[in-house]
Amino acid sequence: DQQVKQNSPSLSVQEGRISILNCDYTNSMFDYFLWYKKYPAEGPTFLISISSIKDKNEDGRFTVFLNKSAKHLSLHIVPSQPGDSAVYFCAACWTGANNLFFGTGTRLTVIP
Amino acid sequence: GAGVSQSPSNKVTEKGKDVELRCDPISGHTALYWYRQRLGQGLEFLIYFQGNSAPDKSGLPSDRFSAERTGESVSTLTIQRTQQEDSAVYLCASSTNGPTGNEKLFFGSGTQLSVL
Repeated sequence: DQQVKQNSPSLSVQEGRISILNCDYTNSMFDYFLWYKKYPAEGPTFLISISSIKDKNEDGRFTVFLNKSAKHLSLHIVPSQPGDSAVYFCAACWTGANNLFFGTGTRLTVIP
Repeated sequence: GAGVSQSPSNKVTEKGKDVELRCDPISGHTALYWYRQRLGQGLEFLIYFQGNSAPDKSGLPSDRFSAERTGESVSTLTIQRTQQEDSAVYLCASSTNGPTGNEKLFFGSGTQLSVL
């Protein structure tokens, strides 16, 4: 049972434009959401997170938006750069949980 | 080292053999996790260690899988009588506490296991 879903396996964006990666979840207990980035042959690395008490968190070129009523979050990257090309995983957990629930990932390709 | 270290980076084994995967977490990290990623799938939780507490084994897919951790250091994941469906990248991660709040999981590069 996939509790965190990323329905777009891939996304291609022109350099300088905005990249929008989407994530949906089903478990209303989730109160903390994270995005991880993964390059080939490396482990995922933390990118940005958001608590359920917020609807937006920004860190430089990266912004995460949370819509609790729709159980949806998105990651915006602007402007996109070729070095952003990677697989992006959405993850979620609840306070006191012992693990993160991950989506299947979206492969972002930023075209120079 | 500064990061989470996993060995071996690649392991090819024959069906039915046992394999042991190793993880060296970041020094001082009390929490340690094992995940696996099958081809085209998301990261699947396997097991969680936190300090000296009993591990959360709820993600282990069968009794062929087991893991141990010595104190707050090295962990080994053992798969007995490997099957072809065990082929995956096995990822280890550590953190200073649990996965919530501002805690971040730091992942190793993984072990690519191929069962022939």
